[in-house]
Amino acid sequence: DQQVKQNSPSLSVQEGRISILNCDYTNSMFDYFLWYKKYPAEGPTFLISISSIKDKNEDGRFTVFLNKSAKHLSLHIVPSQPGDSAVYFCAASETGSGYALNFGKGTSLLVTP
Amino acid sequence: EAQVTQNPRYLITVTGKKLTVTCSQNMNHEYMSWYRQDPGLGLRQIYYSMNVEVTDKGDVPEGYKVSRKEKRNFPLILESPSPNQTSLYFCASSFGRVGEKLFFGSGTQLSVL
Repeated sequence: DQQVKQNSPSLSVQEGRISILNCDYTNSMFDYFLWYKKYPAEGPTFLISISSIKDKNEDGRFTVFLNKSAKHLSLHIVPSQPGDSAVYFCAASETGSGYALNFGKGTSLLVTP
Repeated sequence: EAQVTQNPRYLITVTGKKLTVTCSQNMNHEYMSWYRQDPGLGLRQIYYSMNVEVTDKGDVPEGYKVSRKEKRNFPLILESPSPNQTSLYFCASSFGRVGEKLFFGSGTQLSVL
């Protein structure tokens, strides 16, 4: 049963605009959330994370927002660049349940010039 | 350079022929894990290890074996591969604390004919 859901398999955005990638989760015990980015023929790389005690975390062009009541998080990329074209995975974990990271199915972002 | 190294990158084999995919990390990480990535299914955990001689099943362990005799190595063993194990495999490691980011290898593309 998928506990982390990324309902948009793909997203296309123009260069310079904002990209918003969404993620929903069902387990209210999740207390740490991470975003990973994956280019073809490479392993996923860590992008940004947020703990449940915060509702926003920012790192340069990347901002993650967490809405605990809605069990929803989103990744904003501003401004989007062609090099941001990749698959983005949302992941969540729960303190006390070992270290299992539950991944979503990913969203493929294409940033067009 | 801190890294997770998987070998081989590409492997084509036939049904029933035992194979091993090696994984090694040089970051002194306690936690190591194997994932498979399939189209439309995202990243699914196969097995993980919290430390030497400690391994546990992930979401899709059937048909796989692992061992953790040394801290740095975590090989994935397919005793009798079948075509439904054709997939892209990733090894990952971390210090094993909740919220700690995972470092991924570059992947092994396995085809079982």
